[in-house]
Amino acid sequence: EDQVTQSPEALRLQEGESSSLNCSYTVSGLRGLFWYRQDPGKGPEFLFTLYSAGEEKEKERLKATLTKKESFLHITAPKPEDSATYLCASGGGSYIPTFGRGTSLIVHP
Amino acid sequence: DTGVSQDPRHKITKRGQNVTFRCDPISEHNRLYWYRQTLGQGPEFLTYFQNEAQLEKSRLLSDRFSAERPKGSFSTLEIQRTEQGDSAMYLCASSFQDYNSPLHFGNGTRLTVT
Repeated sequence: EDQVTQSPEALRLQEGESSSLNCSYTVSGLRGLFWYRQDPGKGPEFLFTLYSAGEEKEKERLKATLTKKESFLHITAPKPEDSATYLCASGGGSYIPTFGRGTSLIVHP
Repeated sequence: DTGVSQDPRHKITKRGQNVTFRCDPISEHNRLYWYRQTLGQGPEFLTYFQNEAQLEKSRLLSDRFSAERPKGSFSTLEIQRTEQGDSAMYLCASSFQDYNSPLHFGNGTRLTVT
């Protein structure tokens, strides 16, 4: 059974303080590792798909990386508007992505 | 592309009543998913469709839950004889058919069972 574990559960940063979120996965035949952002009361918003170890993708202050067992979401010089819950999900042999519990990020001005 | 639309946004019902939610996916997408999310948890898979065929249901899905996707367009999720434990955010998502096609979510229906 596919498993996705995210850490930390919650993270508080000062504006400009860079950090990383972790996503560990156990999937038979990974076909994609997805990152989403979710704001309170809204559905998850797609950010990135990573397909193979060593791959990196960037969007504004976010950079996602992938190894054979983990993915990291690096946040460089975050701003208060980056505050949200960040979810990762694995796509394996089935068409059903498995989600982690998310990391709740708060960036203080 | 108007995105995934869900209706209603909020639903408050009394225990024992039936409720139905609607999802309109992105028109080009042939896969449609239902997930449930409770506070502090990630989305939990319920069921998915490819076109009008329901291909898989979660083993955790009670018989009180049923979903349809007539004509492969919009979908409905019905919960019969609601229980307080059904209170959650019900999320709909759609995608292309590729294994690695990301899901695009609507903003969900928040169900509160009193």
